[in-house]
Amino acid sequence: SQQGEEDPQALSIQEGENATMNCSYKTSINNLQWYRQNSGRGLVHLILIRSNEREKHSGRLRVTLDTSKKSSSLLITASRAADTASYFCAPRENAGGTSYGKLTFGQGTILTVHP
Amino acid sequence: DTEVTQTPKHLVMGMTNKKSLKCEQHMGHRAMYWYKQKAKKPPELMFVYSYEKLSINESVPSRFSPECPNSSLLNLHLHALQPEDSALYLCASSQVLGLPYNEQFFGPGTRLTVL
Repeated sequence: SQQGEEDPQALSIQEGENATMNCSYKTSINNLQWYRQNSGRGLVHLILIRSNEREKHSGRLRVTLDTSKKSSSLLITASRAADTASYFCAPRENAGGTSYGKLTFGQGTILTVHP
Repeated sequence: DTEVTQTPKHLVMGMTNKKSLKCEQHMGHRAMYWYKQKAKKPPELMFVYSYEKLSINESVPSRFSPECPNSSLLNLHLHALQPEDSALYLCASSQVLGLPYNEQFFGPGTRLTVL
């Protein structure tokens, strides 16, 4: 199945700095979603980028998608201590045949933002 | 109301116990999901319900038994679990199964410990 692989596994930065996380996947996708998880809690949907989009913004978040390289990146600008969390990419495979378009989460990047 | 609620927050059970996890949403979503998440790992899909019918079972052992009594409720019945089943169990919902641009809404999870 379509699982994203994320890089780096962990990222530690100071408040105010930018944080960039990368995600690679293997086969064609319909869209790619990013989720955040605060320690031991549920996941929160951050942003969705469609396969025909190259860049998308939402507040301090910027997501890019390069389907030729099968990769995506999430940039958080002007980071805050409250951004400390795990971030997961979730490539959404194309539905077809018996597939319903499963969402499979990558291993995640643990971001720590120091005050 | 964009909330998915889960009860209990924490559960400790012995290997011979029978217990149930409960999930509820009032967003009118017709797809509901159970995920299992081990520490420092991404969520792994267990079951998917669509219009109160079980659509996907990701080869989950029979000691986990899902139930969808109505469109707002999702239960996970647990019996004869093993210590390795200890994990965070997450419930999620989305509008309709198979729609490509659906985001999933997650509950806060139930932290399960099997002794």
